[in-house]
Amino acid sequence: QVQLVESGGGVVQPGRSLRLSCAASGFTFSDFDMVWVRQAPGKGLEWVALISSDGRNKYYTDSVKGRFTISRDNSKNTLHLEMNSLRAEDTAVYYCAKMYGKLTAYNWFDPWGQGTLVTVSS
Amino acid sequence: DIQMTQSPSSLSASVGDRVTITCRASQSISNYLNWYQQDPGKAPKLLIYAASSLQSGVPSRFSGSGSGTYFTLTISSLQPEDSATYYCQQSYISPITFGGGTKVEI
Repeated sequence: QVQLVESGGGVVQPGRSLRLSCAASGFTFSDFDMVWVRQAPGKGLEWVALISSDGRNKYYTDSVKGRFTISRDNSKNTLHLEMNSLRAEDTAVYYCAKMYGKLTAYNWFDPWGQGTLVTVSS
Repeated sequence: DIQMTQSPSSLSASVGDRVTITCRASQSISNYLNWYQQDPGKAPKLLIYAASSLQSGVPSRFSGSGSGTYFTLTISSLQPEDSATYYCQQSYISPITFGGGTKVEI
């Protein structure tokens, strides 16, 4: 069955960096676009970044542009999110998700990983 | 950016009730609208995609409708396991945006 397992979360000081990973299994990873979505404590869902199946196209929400980088290693079935210059407002549970479809057509996220908590605090 | 507004933000209903959640988009998104269910402490789960298509394995008491700027998620007969927060999401254009969520209590 399709499984997504995030790792790499933790407590980090403001201004520092953190790298999240998402290990995928149960499907042909290189065939699908992937996304990161975050959820601040007690808040709603916020899409963070998207990467195309071949890794060539990347999209970000404005608040993380220039600070976060999404990448993937199709040979290792792994998705990454490199987060630099972290701020308190980046504190959230970060989910990776498999995207059905393309940004230029119908698309939806299914399934989602269990999430990894990132806490930015001094 | 397209703003997604859900109402109500929370509701309380009884087992067997018919429940409807609405989602409005700030501009037309055709039927590029998805619904997710999130249990406390869990990852979101896809319920409905393309406004009205039921995801495999989701009970038939869930249904979605709408197009343009107005959408609804209906639970025809509320069950105890439906206590959760529900989110709409537009997939029409980047940035992909979510509604603020509707918490359903039994």
